[in-house]
Amino acid sequence: EVQLVESGGGLVKPGGSLRLSCAASGFTLSSYSMNWVRQAPGKGLEWVSSISSSSIFIYYADSVKGRFTISRDNAKNSLYLQMNSLRAEDTAVYYCARSVAGPNPFDSWGQGTLVTVSS
Amino acid sequence: EIVMTQSPATLSVSPGERATLSCRASQSVSSNLAWYQQEPGQAPRLLIYDASTRATGIPARFSGSGSGTEFTLTISSLQSEDFAVYYCQQYNNWPRTFGQGTKVEIK
Repeated sequence: EVQLVESGGGLVKPGGSLRLSCAASGFTLSSYSMNWVRQAPGKGLEWVSSISSSSIFIYYADSVKGRFTISRDNAKNSLYLQMNSLRAEDTAVYYCARSVAGPNPFDSWGQGTLVTVSS
Repeated sequence: EIVMTQSPATLSVSPGERATLSCRASQSVSSNLAWYQQEPGQAPRLLIYDASTRATGIPARFSGSGSGTEFTLTISSLQSEDFAVYYCQQYNNWPRTFGQGTKVEIK
């Protein structure tokens, strides 16, 4: 069974940093692209970042470019999101999601981890 | 950036009735369009991909159609578990973009 489990969320002050992790199991992580999607409280889904299977291709939403860094460690079956210079508008549930390489949908999602940016 | 626009924002439907949800892209996304269902407090779940292909385990009452810029998700006979929020997403271009969602509520 495919499982994605996010961790690392919490309360952080504006300007602070946080590192999210996503532990993958039930499939071969190195065969898939991985993605982060966030959802602010009561709002819709917003794509944040994507990374190809071998980390060659990386994409960011303009809203996080220069502040967030996506990475992965296929040997540890893990995906990461390093978030720096956090702002109140980054407050959201952050989901990791899997996709097949190329133009493909997000076929499996984790349950999410809540990040709250507040003083 | 491709803007995805869903309508209506809220759809009130009685159990057993048909629901039709629309999604429009600001430019062509070919058939690279997915629909997701999100129940309260849950993660999104992939329902439809490539505009019309049901994901694994998705009941036949869910169907998708369209290509280019106009897409439709139809739920043929609403069950209690179908009352949720539905999002469309294009994966033809970067950045990947979602519609704002359609909430299907009990009438």
